[in-house]
Amino acid sequence: EIVLTQSPGTLSLSPGERATLSCRASQSVYSKYLAWYQQKFGQAPRLLIYGASNRASGIPDRFSGSGSGTDFTLTISRLEPEDFAVYYCQQYGSSPFTFGQGTRLEIK
Amino acid sequence: EVQLVESGGGLVQPGRSLRLSCVASGFIFDDYAMHWVRQAPGKGLEWVSGINWNSGTIGYADSVKGRFTISRDDAKNSLYLQMTSLRPEDTALYYCAKDFRGGTSGIFDPWGQGTLVTVSS
Repeated sequence: EIVLTQSPGTLSLSPGERATLSCRASQSVYSKYLAWYQQKFGQAPRLLIYGASNRASGIPDRFSGSGSGTDFTLTISRLEPEDFAVYYCQQYGSSPFTFGQGTRLEIK
Repeated sequence: EVQLVESGGGLVQPGRSLRLSCVASGFIFDDYAMHWVRQAPGKGLEWVSGINWNSGTIGYADSVKGRFTISRDDAKNSLYLQMTSLRPEDTALYYCAKDFRGGTSGIFDPWGQGTLVTVSS
């Protein structure tokens, strides 16, 4: 089973700033099969990025993903108030599909 | 618009069974794989099980293998999760999620709002 470790656990930033979230895998993720989800309080998760760098439908271009192998990054270029939430990475290159423990992005 | 509506959650004693349902609309249900993902209170996400478009490929997390059974009824646009031998650690909000593709790609989009299962005596 691939273990995903996200850092930092909590990120405190202000609107307009740039956010960089990290996801590290315990072994190489097959073919960049890495996704990112956003979960706001009391809501279901929402797909942001798949294939490490492909934005899902309707996702603003301030969200971008990068990486390969064992190291992946989600970048939010300029934070909007609605971006403060918990973010999860997930690998789907091998079963079982696994998630990171999440990064909480909070308003500073 | 894709909609996924889960039901069947509730309070159940350890060792008992429960069946979750998910009714889908807004897309051609039998073209897509489907999944169950759970989230324990205040915790992260855990993939539970997935089933491809024709029920030919099914997968389970080790934590539920042998106790949970996933199935689908395309005529009813419905996904199910039969849960037996429930344990307190199965307490969670159970989400139904549509796969990106017919095969189980493992990309979950979108998700339902979830149904809460509480296992306690």
